[in-house]
Order: sequence, then C-alpha cells, then structure tokens
Amino acid sequence: DSGVTQTPKHLITATGQRVTLRCSPRSGDLSVYWYQQSLDQGLQFLIQYYNGEERAKGNILERFSAQQFPDLHSELNLSSLELGDSALYFCASSFHRTGGPGANVLTFGAGSRLTVL
Amino acid sequence: GIQVEQSPPDLILQEGANSTLRCNFSDSVNNLQWFHQNPWGQLINLFYIPSGTKQNGRLSATTVATERYSLLYISSSQTTDSGVYFCAGHGSSNTGKLIFGQGTTLQVKP
Repeated sequence: DSGVTQTPKHLITATGQRVTLRCSPRSGDLSVYWYQQSLDQGLQFLIQYYNGEERAKGNILERFSAQQFPDLHSELNLSSLELGDSALYFCASSFHRTGGPGANVLTFGAGSRLTVL
Repeated sequence: GIQVEQSPPDLILQEGANSTLRCNFSDSVNNLQWFHQNPWGQLINLFYIPSGTKQNGRLSATTVATERYSLLYISSSQTTDSGVYFCAGHGSSNTGKLIFGQGTTLQVKP
C-alpha cells in the first residue's frame, strides 16, 4: 500500500456520461497530481494541485476538471465521456508538510481504470 | 518542453541475467525518477536520482545530469522484475509536470 488511495478501482460507463474519480494523498502530502495512461499516449500529466490551489496544468481537456479540497483529497471530474477517454487514471502525491529531501518524489496510487462503452 | 527517450523499448531476459536501461533527456532535467509498473498496473517509485548513483538491493541507478542521461541497472533478474520501467523528470520550471518517457517493457523468463 503506497498510502495514496484512489476510488473507484474500476468503472464502466457509457459515452456521454459523467464520472468522478477520487484521490486521498499520503498523510501529510500537500500536493496532488493527476495522470492519464492510455495505450497510445503513455503517461500524460493532467493537472497538479498544491494545498488547494492549482499549481500546474498539462494536457487536460476542457471536459475534465479537478479540485483539491481543504482536507487535501482531490477529485477529477470527467464529463461528456468519449470512447477515447478509456484509460487508467492515476493520482500521485508529494511535498510533505514537514519538508525534507526529495520533496518532488511522487508516490502513485493504484489507479482508476475507466472503460467507456 | 523536455523530451524523454528510453531504450530499449522492449527487453526479454532469462532469469538471472543482468540488464541496463537507458533514459536520455533533451534538455536539463530536474528531479529524475525511475518507476516500475508491475503487470497489475501499480506504479512504484524505485529511485529519486537527480545526480550520482544509488543502489537498492539488485537495482542501482546512475544519473549524469551534465550529459543528460540516466541508467537503471538490474542484476540477477527475477520474474518479479517483469513490467514496464519508466524514467521521468521535471523541466527547468520545476513545477509538477513530471514528464515520463515511453517506458521499457521488460519480460523475465524463468
């Protein structure tokens, strides 16, 4: 167990639907990252939050949105789903509140596998 | 942004063999990390290796930042080493956008 918790582990839904993926970072980590892994695109950075604020944005579609809540958990919302959105979505965390070396070391959750039919 | 290239893309080894995986990056990179994705999809951080050499059991990694490459050594490979190995790093902005290479898929046969 990495300490990063993602739910649900698996999700099957239909095109046009909306889903929410949830992530709880490692205890004390302030930053949360979302990555998408599909067969043809590899691991793509979507977005990063640090202590509730958006810190960096990658190739995140307008149909997708995310937020980090005061308790530091994060949610990734995917709407108007298309077949091509089928992928493994990872959450990672870093930047422990106590600082220390290797602050940028990412710890990944087990992922949420989304299948859009 | 930086480009991260890994080689070889695929590798098949007999159990007990040694191997070297390479990661080249197009520009100076910060916070170079190596990950292993096991057959169940779990991504495990193996090394945080911005420079120098580190060892952890049968695995070791070396990053030569001035020459823009990193190497991952696997000695006495075991079937449990199978999976995909990724290297990743931040560009000069040092923000959260950790850029991943396309990975090396390793299969260790008994």
